Amino acid sequence: EIVMTQSPATLSVSPGERATLSCRASQSVRSNLAWYQQKPGQAPRLLIYGASTRATGIPARFSGSGSETEFTLTISSLQSEDFAVYYCHQYNNWPPVFGPGTKVDIK
Amino acid sequence: EVHLVQSGAEVKKPGESLKISCTGSGDSFTKYWIGWVRQMPGKGLEWVGIINPGDSDTRHGASFQGRVTMSADKSISTVYLQWSSLKASDTGMYYCARHGIATDPYNWLDPWGQGTLVTVSS
Repeated sequence: EIVMTQSPATLSVSPGERATLSCRASQSVRSNLAWYQQKPGQAPRLLIYGASTRATGIPARFSGSGSETEFTLTISSLQSEDFAVYYCHQYNNWPPVFGPGTKVDIK
Repeated sequence: EVHLVQSGAEVKKPGESLKISCTGSGDSFTKYWIGWVRQMPGKGLEWVGIINPGDSDTRHGASFQGRVTMSADKSISTVYLQWSSLKASDTGMYYCARHGIATDPYNWLDPWGQGTLVTVSS
C-alpha cells in the first residue's frame, strides 16, 4: 500500500499571505493525485484532480503542481474562508490512500 | 448537477446491525463508481471501499474487508453500507462520494454526500 505524507501538519498563515502545502507518496502515483478541502462540520470538497486541474467552481488562487511522488498545493492569497484542513489523495493504485491532512489556521 | 443524499445519524449498541444509504440525483447514477470514506472523531479520512451501482462490483479497503458489506439498488439510485455486528470502533462519520470519471474505479471523488454519523456505544 502506498503511504502518503503531508507537511506541515499545521500551517499558520495571515490572511492575504501565500500558503504552500506539500504531499509526498512513497512510490510514484504519476499525476493521479487529488486535493480536498474540509471545513469543520462539513464534507470534504474536491479542489484539484490530476495533480493540477482545478475542479469546477474552484477559485484560481488554488493551484496544484507536481508528479510522481512530490506534489504541492498553493493558495496564492489566503482568504478567511480558506482556513480548513487539506487532504491529498492518490488514486493511481489500489487501495486509494488519503494523506493525514494539513490544517491551515490563522496566524 | 449531481447530488448525493445520505441517511440520517444512527446510534447503536455493540453487536447490533446497521444499514446506511446514499441516494444520487441526476442522470447516469449507474455509470459512476461510488466510494465510501470513514472519518473517525477528530481524525483523517480512511477509504472503506467502492461499489459500481450498475453491476454491484465492490472493492474493499484492507481494514474493512469482512467488516462491512456494500450493496446497491440501481432502480432507486441508492447504494448502501451495512454492518452485521457493530463495534465501538465503527463509530465515525461515513461519507459517500462519486468517482469523477464514468466507469473508472481509480478516480478522484466529487461530489460528496453530507455524511452519516454512526455512533456505537453501550
